[in-house]
Amino acid sequence: EIVLTQSPGTLSLSPGERATLSCRASQSVSSSYLAWYQQKPGQAPRLLIYGASSRATGIPDRFSGSGSGTDFTLTISRLEPEDFAVYYCQQYGSSPSFGPGTKVDIK
Amino acid sequence: EVQLVESGGGLVQPGRSLRLSCTASGFTFGDYAMSWVRQAPGKGLEWVGFIRSKAYGGTTEYAASVKGRFTISRDDSKSIAYLQMNSLKTEDTAVYYCTRGGDYSYYGMDVWGQGTTVTVSS
Repeated sequence: EIVLTQSPGTLSLSPGERATLSCRASQSVSSSYLAWYQQKPGQAPRLLIYGASSRATGIPDRFSGSGSGTDFTLTISRLEPEDFAVYYCQQYGSSPSFGPGTKVDIK
Repeated sequence: EVQLVESGGGLVQPGRSLRLSCTASGFTFGDYAMSWVRQAPGKGLEWVGFIRSKAYGGTTEYAASVKGRFTISRDDSKSIAYLQMNSLKTEDTAVYYCTRGGDYSYYGMDVWGQGTTVTVSS
């Protein structure tokens, strides 16, 4: 089973700032099968990034994903008010698993 | 419009059973693996299991926490995926989401339903 850890647990930033979220895997994940999701209170998660770096349909280009092996990063270049949410990474190879999430809140 | 709609949630006593349904529309249901993901109150996301498309054998896999108690099935003629939950425990209390995609899906889990709430309590 691949265990994902995310850091930091909470990221307090202001609109317009850059957000860098980290996801680390307990063993190597094929980059083809690493995704990022955004979840707002009371809503279902939304796919942002698949294949480690490909944006899903309709996702603004301020969201970008990178990384390989065991270390992956989600970057939000300039935070918009609607970006304050919880972000989860996921590996969807064998026995999919999610990280515990990073909450991005307003400073 | 591509859409998933879950139904069947509710309050159930420990040890009892419940079946959730996920009705799909707007895409060729039979071409896709379908997964279930749950979220306990105030907690993160937990993958529950998936069922592959018939083209990949229609086989299933489950998280260790539900293996032997939960069963996923599908009816491609009706575009519905099911989650049969037996021997329910209080720790199964969660919002259950149906998603499109499974293991090794190119786009990950790209479509999500709105979720249905299951509460296991006496």
